[in-house]
Amino acid sequence: ETGVTQSPTHLIKTRGQQVTLRCSSQSGHNTVSWYQQALGQGPQFIFQYYREEENGRGNFPPRFSGLQFPNYSSELNVNALELDDSALYLCASSFNRGADTQYFGPGTRLTVL
Amino acid sequence: AQTVTQSQPEMSVQEAETVTLSCTYDTSESNYYLFWYKQPPSRQMILVIRQEAYKQQNATENRFSVNFQKAAKSFSLKISDSQLGDTAMYFCASLFKNAGNMLTFGGGTRLMVKP
Repeated sequence: ETGVTQSPTHLIKTRGQQVTLRCSSQSGHNTVSWYQQALGQGPQFIFQYYREEENGRGNFPPRFSGLQFPNYSSELNVNALELDDSALYLCASSFNRGADTQYFGPGTRLTVL
Repeated sequence: AQTVTQSQPEMSVQEAETVTLSCTYDTSESNYYLFWYKQPPSRQMILVIRQEAYKQQNATENRFSVNFQKAAKSFSLKISDSQLGDTAMYFCASLFKNAGNMLTFGGGTRLMVKP
């Protein structure tokens, strides 16, 4: 059974640029959630995708957007990067939406200069 | 809004001893789930244990067990026979079925296991 994978591992961008982060869900999982974890803090929920549709969104501006593909992999896109977007971005997949346990990938470390 | 609070930023324990990490949460919901996740320096968030709020019995997973006090809204994690590999950040998290299926995390407790 393949776990959750994310790419790239690290990324450096400059303010104003756009970035795309990728996530492959665990085999058999149809739901993907994205979280932002600033240094020294707990993760904050960005949004969740279930069967290619957005299924909930946290308190993040519209420049944070996402996609889920028919194979349930997902992308997180961030436009007009700001310095405060520097963080670890975590992807988690679950067997279904709702109360199913979420299993996390290793994360992508984004640095905005 | 749902909140999760971990009041111990850092803790340390000697190898083979027992340590308890505290977590409190605030909700008016009745249908929810609680989790402890471990995040070692490798950064990957690893599930330690899960508790359904409707179950009175405390969850256990090998050396890890919880003390779930629903009325007090408390959910502590006990680690028995601590091992060096238990050194990590530990996050308490909640999931409320009527609040968007999102995990709400506490601020974390950094646990150091000393030889």
